[in-house]
Amino acid sequence: NAGVTQTPKFQVLKTGQSMTLQCAQDMNHEYMSWYRQDPGMGLRLIHYSVGAGITDQGEVPNGYNVSRSTTEDFPLRLLSAAPSQTSVYFCASRYRSYSNQPQHFGDGTRLSIL
Amino acid sequence: AQSVAQPEDQVNVAEGNPLTVKCTYSVSGNPYLFWYVQYPNRGLQFLLKYITGDNLVKGSYGFEAEFNKSQTSFHLKKPSALVSDSALYFCAVRLTDRGSTLGRLYFGRGTQLTVWP
Repeated sequence: NAGVTQTPKFQVLKTGQSMTLQCAQDMNHEYMSWYRQDPGMGLRLIHYSVGAGITDQGEVPNGYNVSRSTTEDFPLRLLSAAPSQTSVYFCASRYRSYSNQPQHFGDGTRLSIL
Repeated sequence: AQSVAQPEDQVNVAEGNPLTVKCTYSVSGNPYLFWYVQYPNRGLQFLLKYITGDNLVKGSYGFEAEFNKSQTSFHLKKPSALVSDSALYFCAVRLTDRGSTLGRLYFGRGTQLTVWP
């Protein structure tokens, strides 16, 4: 039972490059979400999904795209990387959007944009 | 606007002493309340939650939290701190109204707990 798996763990990009952060869960959770964590800012929601084929924007969606073709996977795409996107990115999942169960988090992707 | 406040960026306590990490919130309705802990280079780990019922809830690693509806607070406590409790702690609130927020989780900014020997 792996939980939430994020790859890669570390990445360095140049400004303007694109990349995809991968997230997979094996718990059959309907709800998945992406956060970014910056010092003193807590966690801010980027995008979320309540099930396969359904995604929506969170608090800070600009510069990011998501898709949800399967229940298990929820990749986050940076379209044209900018230094302001240097951050630690966390993927999380829980059973359903209205469930009172806690979210499960991956160990994060540490992304630096030069 | 929905908000979660952790008024202390840093809490320092001596090992063996009681600890409190504070959290207050301003959201609509009757939310679910959570505490998470983050160790260096790791994701957030669930500690405990309040859904309904008894105002004192117990969680992992000897932590407990007290819900106070009138003060809209959910403070994290532990009777006797350990050096291994040193970590970053986050309070989180989830709305329960079936509106456009769709169960979104709101986080505080985090409190760094340091327990010294």
